[in-house]
Amino acid sequence: NAGVTQTPKFQVLKTGQSMTLQCAQDMNHEYMSWYRQDPGMGLRLIHYSVGAGITDQGEVPNGYNVSRSTTEDFPLRLLSAAPSQTSVYFCASSYSRDRGLDEQFFGPGTRLTVL
Amino acid sequence: GIQVEQSPPDLILQEGANSTLRCNFSDSVNNLQWFHQNPWGQLINLFYIPSGTKQNGRLSATTVATERYSLLYISSSQTTDSGVYFCAVEPHTQAGTALIFGKGTTLSVSS
Repeated sequence: NAGVTQTPKFQVLKTGQSMTLQCAQDMNHEYMSWYRQDPGMGLRLIHYSVGAGITDQGEVPNGYNVSRSTTEDFPLRLLSAAPSQTSVYFCASSYSRDRGLDEQFFGPGTRLTVL
Repeated sequence: GIQVEQSPPDLILQEGANSTLRCNFSDSVNNLQWFHQNPWGQLINLFYIPSGTKQNGRLSATTVATERYSLLYISSSQTTDSGVYFCAVEPHTQAGTALIFGKGTTLSVSS
């Protein structure tokens, strides 16, 4: 049981380049989400998914796309990277309870620098 | 949207001391979770605690949902307790979709 995995661990991009951050979980969790963490800002929700084929925007979705074709995978795409997207990105997953979300499990994070 | 405020923002302790971290939130929530981010950046779930009190070793947490706050107690602190502690809430109005995080309390424990 690997839990939540993320690749890559580190990435440097030039402004305007595109890339995909990978996230996978092997716990059969319905809910998956992406957060970014910036100094002094806590974690802010980018996008989330409540099941395969269902995605929606969080607090800071601009510049990012997601898709959820399987229960296990939830990739985050940066279409045209900007320096403002320099951050640490975390993927999380959980079961969905009747009244909301269950205990959240986080991946190890991806540190992204955009030059 | 809901506001989540944590206090204090920074805390410096000697090994063996006790501490209390506070999380206030501005609206009704479905659940509340406490996380520890270690110095290597890994986020670990400490408690899932929508209400009541839970204990896990030297750590315990209490949530009083009707008064919109939660407390995390750390007793006999150790250097390995250092890191950032986050409180996160799931608002009633965003049930099943979002956890909203506070900005965290940075704890430094010295030997």
